[in-house]
Amino acid sequence: GNSVTQMEGPVTLSEEAFLTINCTYTATGYPSLFWYVQYPGEGLQLLLKATKADDKGSNKGFEATYRKETTSFHLEKGSVQVSDSAVYFCALLPSGSARQLTFGSGTQLTVLP
Amino acid sequence: GAVVSQHPSRVICKSGTSVKIECRSLDFQATTMFWYRQFPKQSLMLMATSNEGSKATYEQGVEKDKFLINHASLTLSTLTVTSAHPEDSSFYICSARDPGAGGPWRETQYFGPGTRLLVL
Repeated sequence: GNSVTQMEGPVTLSEEAFLTINCTYTATGYPSLFWYVQYPGEGLQLLLKATKADDKGSNKGFEATYRKETTSFHLEKGSVQVSDSAVYFCALLPSGSARQLTFGSGTQLTVLP
Repeated sequence: GAVVSQHPSRVICKSGTSVKIECRSLDFQATTMFWYRQFPKQSLMLMATSNEGSKATYEQGVEKDKFLINHASLTLSTLTVTSAHPEDSSFYICSARDPGAGGPWRETQYFGPGTRLLVL
């Protein structure tokens, strides 16, 4: 079946540090890949997406590249801010008929001033 | 991105009462919506898939008579927690499928802000 494995948290960084949150997946075919962000007490917001191999999704300084050869979609940001503190979820949408998102376990990020 | 709203954002009720949560897609038509439940510090658990004009599809272990889902229009799905008990207290999140244009790879799910349910 489909699965998403995320780097376990929590992750604590100082402001302006470099961020990487690892995400690898298992799926047949060519899934679409997503990063969602959840701020405390809120729902999930789409951060970025990529729909095919070598695509790079980017938004608000965050980037992730769809790497089919390593089945990965790692999230990166060059300089984090306190306001980036949140839980980040990696997810995949399979290419077949079962169009349901499969989520990773989430990674809590705390950025200290 | 697309906007999905949920109402109410927070509800407190007595044990044995029923609670209805609404999920609306505000700027696109959603033939399919999803209902999730999230426990503290955990990922989302899919409860059911709501299809406009037809019965919802429930995930294994989710009681369909307990969690009634109605998707009467292309922009509205409702989840009713019937005879709520304290163990139903949780954070409920809906999402709506935006098919996009140009093929299935354009599809994206947009999430509502969630509803915090507390059953006393």
